[in-house]
Amino acid sequence: EVQLVESGGGLVKPGGSLRLSCAASGFTFSSYSMNWVRQAPGKGLEWVSSISSSSSYIYYADSVKGRFTISRDNAKNSLYLQMNSLRAEDTAVYYCASVPRGGGQFDPWGQGTLVTVSS
Amino acid sequence: QSALTQPASVSGSPGQSITISCTGTSSDVGSYNLVSWYQQHPGKAPKLMIYEVSKRPSGVSNRFSGSKSGNTASLTISGLQAEDEADYYCCSYAGSSSYVFGTGTKVTVL
Repeated sequence: EVQLVESGGGLVKPGGSLRLSCAASGFTFSSYSMNWVRQAPGKGLEWVSSISSSSSYIYYADSVKGRFTISRDNAKNSLYLQMNSLRAEDTAVYYCASVPRGGGQFDPWGQGTLVTVSS
Repeated sequence: QSALTQPASVSGSPGQSITISCTGTSSDVGSYNLVSWYQQHPGKAPKLMIYEVSKRPSGVSNRFSGSKSGNTASLTISGLQAEDEADYYCCSYAGSSSYVFGTGTKVTVL
């Protein structure tokens, strides 16, 4: 069964840091681009960051550039998101999702992990 | 990148057809045939319903179909059913491995 499981969310103070993880199983993780997408409470989806299969290409949304760092470990079938200098507006459910080579669709998605930035 | 524009809500009676529009620009929807649509029920992760404008993943009902004209993509749900009540989001590739999502549409089955 294809599965993505996020972890690492929680409550953090403004200016703090948090590291999210996403464990993949059931597919050839090293062949897929991986992404983080977030959803603020009651709001829509927002693409956050992508990393190519070999980590050669990394991109960020302007809203997180310079504060967030995406990485992956293909040997461990894992994706990460290091979030620094967190702001209240970063409060959201963070999903990891894969994109097939040459494709532009997110499938599958993890169940999400909630990050709350509040004092 | 500004979010793609979708109607906030669309409703229909069981058995009817509804269409959700998704308007972008020549830099995203108009430039790439990489438009996808996602269904999201409350408290759940999004689910892929349509990819590459009009393709359906295995297991998705053929009541769901997609199309695109210029900078606007559309999702049509025919034979509306109670379980189709959910939020729907479009998404377009926007170049340099970046993506832009739509504002989201709440579908209500009357």
